[in-house]
Amino acid sequence: GDSVTQMEGPVTLSEEACLTINCTYTATGYPSLFWYVQYPGEGLQLLLKATKADDKGSNKGFEATYRKETTSFHLEKGSVQVSDSAVYFCALSGVNDYKLSFGAGTTVTVRA
Amino acid sequence: DAGVTQSPTHLIKTRGQQVTLRCSPKSGHDTVSWYQQALGQGPQFIFQYYEEEERQRGNFPDRFSGHQFPNYSSELNVNALLLGDSALYLCASSLAGALYGYTFGSGTRLTVV
Repeated sequence: GDSVTQMEGPVTLSEEACLTINCTYTATGYPSLFWYVQYPGEGLQLLLKATKADDKGSNKGFEATYRKETTSFHLEKGSVQVSDSAVYFCALSGVNDYKLSFGAGTTVTVRA
Repeated sequence: DAGVTQSPTHLIKTRGQQVTLRCSPKSGHDTVSWYQQALGQGPQFIFQYYEEEERQRGNFPDRFSGHQFPNYSSELNVNALLLGDSALYLCASSLAGALYGYTFGSGTRLTVV
């Protein structure tokens, strides 16, 4: 079945450092790909999405590109802030599928 | 505009008991999905309800059941609780067919002792 594997954490960075969280997937066809973020005590929020190969999703300085050839959707940010401290989840939804399949999550802590 | 509301926020139950969790979707949404998030793991899809029917189900035993009411709110019921059912239960609402428009609630933390 469909699955997502993402980089294990935790990840600790200094403010203004670069962040990359790796995500690879297994699915048939062309799934839609997502990054969700979960701040302490809150629900998951959609950070960005990509629905077809070579699409680039972007939001709040974060970017991820849908790479069909490497089945990857890595999350990147060039300069992180303390407010980016959260748990990040890579997810996919298969063709004609109503559910989201999530990775295990990566905890990111940014120090001032 | 209220988002997704879940109740209760925390719950402690004993093994073998039954529990009901509740979810009110975001205004304008008609579809409700339930996810189980064990500590340190990603959410796992339990099922989705649309038009008061279970539209898709994940790999969960029949002890997990649900219901959707005419006002689109939903309940998740778990019977014969096991220690392994301890988790954060998340509700997500959306408009039917709007895959990219899920709004998640903050969840109900269930502890089974």
